[in-house]
Amino acid sequence: SAVISQKPSRDICQRGTSLTIQCQVDSQVTMMFWYRQQPGQSLTLIATANQGSEATYESGFVIDKFPISRPNLTFSTLTVSNMSPEDSSIYLCSVVVGRTGELFFGEGSRLTVL
Amino acid sequence: QKEVEQNSGPLSVPEGAIASLNCTYSDRGSQSFFWYRQYSGKSPELIMFIYSNGDKEDGRFTAQLNKASQYVSLLIRDSQPSDSATYLCAVNDGNKLVFGAGTILRVKS
Repeated sequence: SAVISQKPSRDICQRGTSLTIQCQVDSQVTMMFWYRQQPGQSLTLIATANQGSEATYESGFVIDKFPISRPNLTFSTLTVSNMSPEDSSIYLCSVVVGRTGELFFGEGSRLTVL
Repeated sequence: QKEVEQNSGPLSVPEGAIASLNCTYSDRGSQSFFWYRQYSGKSPELIMFIYSNGDKEDGRFTAQLNKASQYVSLLIRDSQPSDSATYLCAVNDGNKLVFGAGTILRVKS
């Protein structure tokens, strides 16, 4: 497995503001993903964070709303831009470790938008 | 878009019983299948993965895969109150995982 640290663990934000979530992994990983989990829902993939290139976004998610950086193989950031109450969710950083495709998650960042 | 279906539950079982959690998936070409456990307020943690048809056992947990029926299940033997959580089934879509909605399990003491 891997130790995945996310910051902040939780935050309360005002409508219209932006927040950047950081994800730090204790080892180099090739595959890193950002998921969202809305209240009472399952996990939805936002994007694949690609090292040294633009992230690959899933249907329904766009770079202007969720810009992602991945400057190296151990670190990534997700920004939630121009937030609205509908963005209130848990945002989870995840990485694949090993050759068997097992996905491991950080502790999550719980955002509440007022 | 691949789909993963789970009964949302809650599934209630008495302590010591076998809990059976089920999952079906839409893409016959799926190769990798994962079960995660998520406690309230926590992030998902990997319990087991399975790639081949048949059973795979790890302690009190057994994953069962039937690719012909596009069906994967998780059996929890000797269920404990600490097993009460949401169980998420996930299926690979290339390098990504697609998650089901999860089944809430409640183990009553």
